[in-house]
Amino acid sequence: DQQVKQNSPSLSVQEGRISILNCDYTNSMFDYFLWYKKYPAEGPTFLISISSIKDKNEDGRFTVFLNKSAKHLSLHIVPSQPGDSAVYFCASNSGNTPLVFGKGTRLSVIA
Amino acid sequence: DAGITQSPRHKVTETGTPVTLRCHQTENHRYMYWYRQDPGHGLRLIHYSYGVKDTDKGEVSDGYSVSRSKTEDFLLTLESATSSQTSVYFCAISGQDYGYTFGSGTRLTVV
Repeated sequence: DQQVKQNSPSLSVQEGRISILNCDYTNSMFDYFLWYKKYPAEGPTFLISISSIKDKNEDGRFTVFLNKSAKHLSLHIVPSQPGDSAVYFCASNSGNTPLVFGKGTRLSVIA
Repeated sequence: DAGITQSPRHKVTETGTPVTLRCHQTENHRYMYWYRQDPGHGLRLIHYSYGVKDTDKGEVSDGYSVSRSKTEDFLLTLESATSSQTSVYFCAISGQDYGYTFGSGTRLTVV
């Protein structure tokens, strides 16, 4: 049973516009949520996170929104840049349990 | 850079042969993890360690074993490699905060 779901395998966005990546989770015990970014032939790198006590966290062009009642989070990138083209993974856990990752969304930012 | 290295970076092996992948960290982190990345599956946890000689299974542990005899090294062994174990393997470490730092990955091909 998939606990973290990213239902869009891919997304294309024009440079300068907003990119919105979505993630749903099923485990109500999850209390920490993260987004990772992955370029080809590299390991994933941490992008931004949010704890369950918040509903929004912002870091520069990146904002993560958490809707606990809907068990949904989203990553907003504004404005999108060609260098943002990568695979984005949503991940979550509770306490010290290992992170559970979604299948990823490939973002293409078109110049 | 991040104090975590994986070796080898690439390996081709024959079905039925044993294979060991190494993860080495210089961060003195307690937790270490092995994930595999496959198209359509995202990142899936194989095994993890929460201290020297303390390990536990993840979601896809069948056919894999691990050992951690010292803090800095976490070894993943495929006792008898199969074609279904062709994948990219990532090691990760985590410290006091929630973020994981990933290695650059090992691309393993079983022929």
